[in-house]
Amino acid sequence: DTGVSQDPRHKITKRGQNVTFRCDPISEHNRLYWYRQTLGQGPEFLTYFQNEAQLEKSRLLSDRFSAERPKGSFSTLEIQRTEQGDSAMYLCASSLQGSYEQYFGPGTRLTVT
Amino acid sequence: GIQVEQSPPDLILQEGANSTLRCNFSDSVNNLQWFHQNPWGQLINLFYIPSGTKQNGRLSATTVATERYSLLYISSSQTTDSGVYFCAAFGGNQFYFGTGTSLTVIP
Repeated sequence: DTGVSQDPRHKITKRGQNVTFRCDPISEHNRLYWYRQTLGQGPEFLTYFQNEAQLEKSRLLSDRFSAERPKGSFSTLEIQRTEQGDSAMYLCASSLQGSYEQYFGPGTRLTVT
Repeated sequence: GIQVEQSPPDLILQEGANSTLRCNFSDSVNNLQWFHQNPWGQLINLFYIPSGTKQNGRLSATTVATERYSLLYISSSQTTDSGVYFCAAFGGNQFYFGTGTSLTVIP
C-alpha cells in the first residue's frame, strides 16, 4: 500500500525564484487537495481537484500560485517569484470520491531566503 | 468558512495519565477527522468520525454533530503520544483545521 507521496521533501530557494512541487495521490483516489502550514498553525486549504478539474481555489491564494493535475493522477503546485512569506510546509492530501476521509502526504518544506 | 477551535492549546502530562482534547466547530460538517502530527510534519490519521464514538487501542473519539463538538480521549499516555493533535472539520470542499493541541508526555 503506497500512501500519498510528495517531492521534494525540502526545498531552499532564493527570493524571486520559481519552485514546483509534485504530489502523487493514493492510486485509486480521484480527489486531491493542497494545503499550506506555517509554524504554530493548522494547515490552510489552498486548492482542490476532482480528477483533472480544479474545483475550488482559496481566495487567499495569490496569482503567483498555480496548480495542475493534467491527467487526473499526480499534481504539481508552482509558486512564481517566491517571497519570504511563502516559507511554509506544503501538504498534499487525497481521498476517494464520495468519501470525505483525507490522507496526507509527508509534505514539502519550503524555505525562501 | 467553518471556525474550528481546539482546547487546551498546550497540555503536559505525566506518563500513564489520561487526557481529553476538545474540538468545537461553528457549523454543520460532513466529516470530522483527528490527526496526530509527528515531529517531521506528517499528519497521521487517527479517526474519521463525523458522528458517534470510535475506539482504537488507547485512543477513542466522540463527535456530537448536533452540538458541534468532538472529543479525543487518550488513556494511559505514553511518551510517543507527544506531538500536536489537530481536528479538521470538512465543509463545502475543504477541511478547516484548528490550531491544534500540543501534547507533551513526560516520563
